[in-house]
Amino acid sequence: EVQLVESGGGLVQPGESLRLSCAASGFTVSSNYIIWVRQAPGKGLEWVSVIYRGGSTYYADSVTGRFTVSRDDSKNTVYLQLNSLRVDDTAVYYCARGDYYGSGSSYFFDYWGQGTLITVSS
Amino acid sequence: SSELTQDPAVSVALGQTVRITCQGDSLRLYYASWYQQKPGQAPRLVIYGKNNRPSGIPDRFSGSSSGNTASLTITGAQAEDEADYYCNSRASGTNRLPFGGGTKLTVL
Repeated sequence: EVQLVESGGGLVQPGESLRLSCAASGFTVSSNYIIWVRQAPGKGLEWVSVIYRGGSTYYADSVTGRFTVSRDDSKNTVYLQLNSLRVDDTAVYYCARGDYYGSGSSYFFDYWGQGTLITVSS
Repeated sequence: SSELTQDPAVSVALGQTVRITCQGDSLRLYYASWYQQKPGQAPRLVIYGKNNRPSGIPDRFSGSSSGNTASLTITGAQAEDEADYYCNSRASGTNRLPFGGGTKLTVL
């Protein structure tokens, strides 16, 4: 059974750092791509980052230069390092497994974790 | 401005058909995927590709695409379909994977 479990959320002050984990089971993270998505309270889904099978990483403009996604294949876990946190980073952070449709140009995310809440407040 | 545009809210009478749309230039190149999210829950994939449903998604959910618009249709909406629905697609010429702003579906 495919499962994704996020952890590492909590309450932090502006400017501080945090590392989120996304532990996978039922598949190997190196065989798919993994995305991070966040949802601020009462708001919609915002794509944050992606790490592809080959290790390439990409970020939303709002987090570029502050967030870093990485992967530990030996632990079957993906991480999101969040630095220089701001109040507007407050959100539930989800990781999800990605796959491709057809020739590979269309994407979808078929399994999601339950999310972990980050609150940035002084 | 959002790369994928959705109507903020749509309502449908119980048992009737509703279409939720998503507009964006990238949809001329890529299929959208659609996600259902109920309060306090993680999103759930309901439609991907041309018109594919993951296991466990009722066949009253279907997807279509024309030009720059992708649509999610629920034929015979049920009370349990009341939720927020989000579209997603790769952005043209980039590696960004933005979501639409979401549509809140109310089943009357």
